[in-house]
Amino acid sequence: KNQVEQSPQSLIILEGKNCTLQCNYTVSPFSNLRWYKQDTGRGPVSLTIMTFSENTKSNGRYTATLDADTKQSSLHITASQLSDSASYICVVSDRGSTLGRLYFGRGTQLTVWP
Amino acid sequence: EADIYQTPRYLVIGTGKKITLECSQTMGHDKMYWYQQDPGMELHLIHYSYGVNSTEKGDLSSESTVSRIRTEHFPLTLESARPSHTSQYLCASSHPAAETQYFGPGTRLLVL
Repeated sequence: KNQVEQSPQSLIILEGKNCTLQCNYTVSPFSNLRWYKQDTGRGPVSLTIMTFSENTKSNGRYTATLDADTKQSSLHITASQLSDSASYICVVSDRGSTLGRLYFGRGTQLTVWP
Repeated sequence: EADIYQTPRYLVIGTGKKITLECSQTMGHDKMYWYQQDPGMELHLIHYSYGVNSTEKGDLSSESTVSRIRTEHFPLTLESARPSHTSQYLCASSHPAAETQYFGPGTRLLVL
């Protein structure tokens, strides 16, 4: 069964600290993996996208890694800011469908405190 | 910032009422999607469209219906709202050559 599991479910950190969010997936065949940021009451916004051959991708203070062999990904946030408080969703796409079928994790709810 | 819009943003309505959630995008994307998301849960695909006059049901069974008469417009309709329809509804679109989906801000629906 194709699944995407994220951990931790929620995380509280102090402003300025770093944190790492985890994503494990069983989706096969694999096309790409995205991390989205979803602010409360808003739609998700894409942060990074990685294909099978990419190990790391950065977007400002966000760095995503991918290990396609172990089917794991992480999102590292550096020098956190209050505006980083949001839900971070891992989304994996299979290449078995012309639709580009997406499998969504439940997200990690990050809260950054001053 | 993606040019995809949803209205209303919030809707409180009584059981049995007919409602239409609007979604429009100005990016010329052929593919459009509707997702349902409950608090703390993953997004579930309920409808999608490859283009004009194309509509398909998603993974999660839904009593809603959709139409795609124009490329930029993908409304979702509930003929008779029930409390079980209370949720957040997210609309998204994507270019055929790319898989990244751009999401609207969502409509939070509460059925009393």
